[in-house]
Amino acid sequence: AQKITQTQPGMFVQEKEAVTLDCTYDTSDPSYGLFWYKQPSSGEMIFLIYQGSYDQQNATEGRYSLNFQKARKSANLVISASQLGDSAMYFCAMREVNNAGNMLTFGGGTRLMVKP
Amino acid sequence: GAGVSQSPRYKVAKRGQDVALRCDPISGHVSLFWYQQALGQGPEFLTYFQNEAQLDKSGLPSDRFFAERPEGSVSTLKIQRTQQEDSAVYLCASIPYPRGNTGELFFGEGSRLTVL
Repeated sequence: AQKITQTQPGMFVQEKEAVTLDCTYDTSDPSYGLFWYKQPSSGEMIFLIYQGSYDQQNATEGRYSLNFQKARKSANLVISASQLGDSAMYFCAMREVNNAGNMLTFGGGTRLMVKP
Repeated sequence: GAGVSQSPRYKVAKRGQDVALRCDPISGHVSLFWYQQALGQGPEFLTYFQNEAQLDKSGLPSDRFFAERPEGSVSTLKIQRTQQEDSAVYLCASIPYPRGNTGELFFGEGSRLTVL
């Protein structure tokens, strides 16, 4: 079974609008961490936001927020006021307690395209 | 440099050639990871080092893949007798110890390998 599932291969959003990128995960560990990374065409993975499994509140970082629904095992990324520079691949990832070191398991990604 | 540095950025190899990809992690980062990212997909874990010790190599796809980190800093990923299916971006990431509140991995820009 896939540990991280991103069901949207590609998404369009109008500049200045908000967009939600979906992520569901599968784990039996009680303690885990969820991450979102952005990968522009240059190739570097840029860390955006983190949510711990025990965190009571949804994480926020500037225009990024994470809609964490633990019972549904979903961790959707919300980007508010989209900008042209937000066009990139977005990856959801999970760290489980039993992972080697702090290894992250990634989903297949969503390509976001922001329209002017 | 301040970030994870990888070289070469681009490598074209003829099938059957050996290649070596280098990763220079952030100074002082104890843990180092290699990931393989096929075109249009998410990164897949290859191997993990803590200092010079290779603690997990479960993701290496075949015995043609070999990684080392002899002095606990720079790491080299070597692929022997390259095949077309080895064409991918190879990402290196590092993390300090202790890992900090979020424990995100810090990635380099990757080495894009094309096998003809």
